[in-house]
Amino acid sequence: GAVVSQHPSWVICKSGTSVKIECRSLDFQATTMFWYRQFPKQSLMLMATSNEGSKATYEQGVEKDKFLINHASLTLSTLTVTSAHPEDSSFYICSAVDGLAGESAYEQYFGPGTRLTVT
Amino acid sequence: SQKIEQNSEALNIQEGKTATLTCNYTNYSPAYLQWYRQDPGRGPVFLLLIRENEKEKRKERLKVTFDTTLKQSLFHITASQPADSATYLCALARPSYGNNRLAFGKGNQVVVIP
Repeated sequence: GAVVSQHPSWVICKSGTSVKIECRSLDFQATTMFWYRQFPKQSLMLMATSNEGSKATYEQGVEKDKFLINHASLTLSTLTVTSAHPEDSSFYICSAVDGLAGESAYEQYFGPGTRLTVT
Repeated sequence: SQKIEQNSEALNIQEGKTATLTCNYTNYSPAYLQWYRQDPGRGPVFLLLIRENEKEKRKERLKVTFDTTLKQSLFHITASQPADSATYLCALARPSYGNNRLAFGKGNQVVVIP
């Protein structure tokens, strides 16, 4: 149980275009989803927290107009990188929390990640 | 500033021995601390959670300790196996806005030598 999928697993796009990444909880309802970015040999950096049906909360320094997050249902959140630039190239990972899981509600279930390369 | 520090050097250890990793933090007062495993090109996998009022937690061959005075957590893998080779991440919980936001360390790579 507690499987989170991401799509696509990798994507190459041209500078100036937009890319959408999907994050789905497959066997539970995710009351909260998180979006992270990870550069090589670096830690996961939290970008934003997404609650179903409400606006995402962005971390300091993350441009909300550049990284659009939509959490329209309890099983799907999307991250859209708008007007992508080469410096946006990174590994984007989502995680989900099963808010109804009691003690396990503190565990974050991570997706496999999406490798974005902007040329 | 807030910091979460894990050893940047990989830990090479003989199969069967105990691997011990350290996570030190400054300027945090975490409600709990978690350890995750991450394999190359993959998302992290949850291993253990320990709360601020707990000293030690065990799960199979894994053991975690948490010293809020020293601001340190130790992560032990006993009877290590080659399959344990991975990067292990320490994460601190920063509860706010009703959500449990995590701040991660850079991770410490473990290589178990057969």
